[in-house]
Amino acid sequence: SYELTQPPSVSVSPGQTARITCSGDALPKQYAYWYQQKPGQAPVLVIYKDSERPSGIPERFSGSSSGTTVTLTISGVQAEDEADYYCQSADSSGLVVFGGGTKLTVL
Amino acid sequence: EVQLLESGGGLVQPGGSLRLSCAASGFTFSSYAMSWVRQAPGKGLEWVSAISGSGGSTYYADSVKGRFTISRDNSKNTLYLQMNSLRAEDTAVYYCAKVLTPNSGSYYGDDYWGQGTLVTVSS
Repeated sequence: SYELTQPPSVSVSPGQTARITCSGDALPKQYAYWYQQKPGQAPVLVIYKDSERPSGIPERFSGSSSGTTVTLTISGVQAEDEADYYCQSADSSGLVVFGGGTKLTVL
Repeated sequence: EVQLLESGGGLVQPGGSLRLSCAASGFTFSSYAMSWVRQAPGKGLEWVSAISGSGGSTYYADSVKGRFTISRDNSKNTLYLQMNSLRAEDTAVYYCAKVLTPNSGSYYGDDYWGQGTLVTVSS
């Protein structure tokens, strides 16, 4: 079955840049989406179609794509950005999957 | 304001059935595909199923195919998930979500989510 691979955890100090990667063989042909989830809350869409930012999402959130890897970048990380982040995409047959999630810790 | 309100969760025995509902408001419901996503306690997100705006196309994860049925009533602005032959591993919070792009053929990428309803499968 198709998998999207994310690092389990990323740690950064406030004000620094956090980069969270997501790898999958079908990513060159399928869009990726990124979600932020804080404890006890529903997920929030922070990036769609690889690099587009929904209205209301701070400009410090950005997305990029290169080959089989997509990257969520958070510039100038703030304490409130501490959360779990998930990528989502589909395989070549259209089966939708989430990555395993990355816990972002703000030191 | 977009609102999604799930209901129907609860405790059910293995092998039992449950129907979840998601009442939607604040947008043209029939123009958007809708999804169900679940999250087992302490685990990550798992995509479960999706349905096109018209209801004519449905999609399922392999883990639920043949046991779960997604449907919608556009006259009532309501999404459903009929869950049969439930297993312990189906225990999770179930979220309904609205797909971002209307009338696009896309059925993932969700911009609004409900708060979820907990389904517990246990004897």
